[in-house]
Amino acid sequence: DAKTTQPPSMDCAEGRAANLPCNHSTISGNEYVYWYRQIHSQGPQYIIHGLKNNETNEMASLIITEDRKSSTLILPHATLRDTAVYYCIVSSSANQAGTALIFGKGTTLSVSS
Amino acid sequence: GAVVSQHPSRVICKSGTSVKIECRSLDFQATTMFWYRQFPKKSLMLMATSNEGSKATYEQGVEKDKFLINHASLTLSTLTVTSAHPEDSSFYICSARPRSNQPQHFGDGTRLSIL
Repeated sequence: DAKTTQPPSMDCAEGRAANLPCNHSTISGNEYVYWYRQIHSQGPQYIIHGLKNNETNEMASLIITEDRKSSTLILPHATLRDTAVYYCIVSSSANQAGTALIFGKGTTLSVSS
Repeated sequence: GAVVSQHPSRVICKSGTSVKIECRSLDFQATTMFWYRQFPKKSLMLMATSNEGSKATYEQGVEKDKFLINHASLTLSTLTVTSAHPEDSSFYICSARPRSNQPQHFGDGTRLSIL
């Protein structure tokens, strides 16, 4: 699976949009971009994933560049409960139930009031 | 939505004890489950892939005789830490996915403390 690069930490004011970048320049054509987050002492929580089109759900939006070499996770109105470590993972596991997700170091997002 | 449950959430035991951690898929069947370990301030590290009805696949550096994995049914995988020592103290997390076109879901983890 392709590797990802994320900033180690970011700050965001409560109520503002949080834009978390991720570089995945070696991504291959059949690999999806997944975003998970981990709140302290809990298991990772699925946020969103996409292949090449932008995606939106009730939690966030995922913007993938046309060349697919980078993406941005957008939390439109960050709250204090969004403080967590956010992981961007590239994997071809969408079509392979037996493929594990490999975690990098992620971005620690701190939301403050 | 898909739910993965782990039990116990926390366990404290003496050195030399064997500890079993259960991972259940509550509303779907999972032929494959994954076990991760996470040390403080570190990321999740994949330990092994648990396969229903067959042997688990371990990542390099993970001792299969120390971390016994059993996946006897389509909804349950267990990880047994045998003869646990303080260096085995960690946060253990399992995951599974309902179908190949759906994302993986994770349990809430088990915090293991060996005294």
